[in-house]
Amino acid sequence: EIVMTQSPATLSVSPGERVTLSCRASQSLRSNLAWYQQKPGQAPRLLIYGASTRATGAPARFSGSGSGTEFTLTISGLQSEDFAVYFCQQYNSWPPLYSFGQGTKLEIK
Amino acid sequence: QVTLKESGPALVKPTQTLTLTCTFSGFSLTSDRMRMGWIRQPPGKALEWLARIDWDDDKFYNTSLETRLTISKDTSKNQVVLSLTNVDPVDTATYYCTRIAHSYDSDGFLFYYFDFWGQGILVTVSS
Repeated sequence: EIVMTQSPATLSVSPGERVTLSCRASQSLRSNLAWYQQKPGQAPRLLIYGASTRATGAPARFSGSGSGTEFTLTISGLQSEDFAVYFCQQYNSWPPLYSFGQGTKLEIK
Repeated sequence: QVTLKESGPALVKPTQTLTLTCTFSGFSLTSDRMRMGWIRQPPGKALEWLARIDWDDDKFYNTSLETRLTISKDTSKNQVVLSLTNVDPVDTATYYCTRIAHSYDSDGFLFYYFDFWGQGILVTVSS
């Protein structure tokens, strides 16, 4: 089973800053990684898939990079609406299994 | 416009069977390569994938819960149903219905991600 590890668990940042979130996999994922944003009381929202492709409607300040076992989500110029929890997700082909990281919470400094 | 909405009981007693329905619109589960799934999230915890059903009625389950889960579809009603037997308080969670999209990397390898989500339904297991 592939284990997804996100770091840090919590990140305190100020609006306007640039922030980088990390997701590490226990085995190579190629570019098979997605990122989701979840605000309190809401369902997760797809931001990035294929490690670096922005989903429809995701703001351009969100960018993803990485391949293999190391991935990052970068938010350039944090807006107030970006303070949320971010999850990474991978897909294992057999047996079919989708697993998520534990999440990184972005909070206002 | 794609929408998904979960429905079912908010409270279930231990050992009972939980049945949830997802009613969706904006796409058809009869379309080629269309897939849908269920994910849950215990309060304050991470997301856990539960099950997937494909346009051709293939079904896949999280192996850790496989013996207790059943997923099915009713394409005439645009619904997907998830059943979880013998529930326990640890099954208390918000349950989400999702659409599953797919793409290929530069070497042609297939991968999946969840592009649309329902609002979720909080289910509490308690006597």
